[in-house]
Amino acid sequence: DTAVSQTPKYLVTQMGNDKSIKCEQNLGHDTMYWYKQDSKKFLKIMFSYNNKELIINETVPNRFSPKSPDKAHLNLHINSLELGDSAVYFCASSQGGNRETQYFGPGTRLLVL
Amino acid sequence: GDSVTQMEGPVTLSEEAFLTINCTYTATGYPSLFWYVQYPGEGLQLLLKATKADDKGSNKGFEATYRKETTSFHLEKGSVQVSDSAVYFCALSDNQGAQKLVFGQGTRLTINP
Repeated sequence: DTAVSQTPKYLVTQMGNDKSIKCEQNLGHDTMYWYKQDSKKFLKIMFSYNNKELIINETVPNRFSPKSPDKAHLNLHINSLELGDSAVYFCASSQGGNRETQYFGPGTRLLVL
Repeated sequence: GDSVTQMEGPVTLSEEAFLTINCTYTATGYPSLFWYVQYPGEGLQLLLKATKADDKGSNKGFEATYRKETTSFHLEKGSVQVSDSAVYFCALSDNQGAQKLVFGQGTRLTINP
């Protein structure tokens, strides 16, 4: 059973389009995250949600809008895609506070042409 | 702000060699420290963690000790295998309220038979 799943795995799209990436976790965790990994493999937090409430918004352009319909899901919608949005996006989840392990999904590789 | 610095890669070793990947951090308070591993084409998996000073995390033959005095969390393995080839990330969680991981830049490890 997949603990943290993301769809789609690959996404190729044109500049200016709007796209969504979905994330689901079946671990019963109360906190979910989005991270961006750039072409040099550097990973940076984008958003964090706890019990469907936004906890962290790490200076991400407002073209990115996360939505958490329930504790098990955290989707990422991106408007007006730009070339610089090309990256791998990872969803993660954890239970409780900062000392807890975060479990990562397999990633969504986004390529904007 | 908090930060993590890892040794520059890539690192190439022969099978059965001794591995050290250096990691130092800057943080307020007493962070929890993690090593994650990313195998080719996959998401991140927790390798090991330590939540307080002098704790040693270990898994799959890898070890790292939380050294507060040197603000370090170096990863070691006595005898590497080809299957250890991956990108290794050192990370911290600052335990100050913001639930996020701050990652180092990653170290690509290649093990030759």
